[in-house]
Amino acid sequence: EAQVTQNPRYLITVTGKKLTVTCSQNMNHEYMSWYRQDPGLGLRQIYYSMNVEVTDKGDVPEGYKVSRKEKRNFPLILESPSPNQTSLYFCASSSAGTPGYTFGSGTRLTVV
Amino acid sequence: SQQGEEDPQALSIQEGENATMNCSYKTSINNLQWYRQNSGRGLVHLILIRSNEREKHSGRLRVTLDTSKKSSSLLITASRAADTASYFCAAPFNTGGFKTIFGAGTRLFVKA
Repeated sequence: EAQVTQNPRYLITVTGKKLTVTCSQNMNHEYMSWYRQDPGLGLRQIYYSMNVEVTDKGDVPEGYKVSRKEKRNFPLILESPSPNQTSLYFCASSSAGTPGYTFGSGTRLTVV
Repeated sequence: SQQGEEDPQALSIQEGENATMNCSYKTSINNLQWYRQNSGRGLVHLILIRSNEREKHSGRLRVTLDTSKKSSSLLITASRAADTASYFCAAPFNTGGFKTIFGAGTRLFVKA
């Protein structure tokens, strides 16, 4: 089944403790992206990647890191999480030739 | 800065009625996409309309695009309780890249 898989689905962590949210897609998509969703603010793009080793900042990149060493994986790294990074995070991927994202199921992160 | 902004923010209708949601965007686009999100779940791609198209249909969905007004509308005909969800428009920046901005969404509630 074609899908984007994010892990974990839920995560509660403490301020300052580094964490990684994994994202993997099995559709050979070139484009991958991370979004955060907060009430009243919709989805805001954190980082996106157009292909292996090609990444760029979205609208809200501060406090986040990404890497794209393999085409299928696009992990999101929070080096020192803070409470304002408490949010619902989505990974998404898309083919270069066929626009339209496939989204993962989301990761609900709480930083205390 | 939001590339896509939906209107209204919330809409409540009776089953069988039509629901219309509007989206405005700011810069030139190659295409505009509409997505549905059931509470807290990942977004699902519904329909894409390209900048050289004025109208597109898919089942009970009808999308229009007016590039001169930088606006789009999504019409759901003969709505069902299962259509209850949030609906988002998304507009990729017309840079050949993949920076895609979503609006805050329209929350649709269809009463049975």
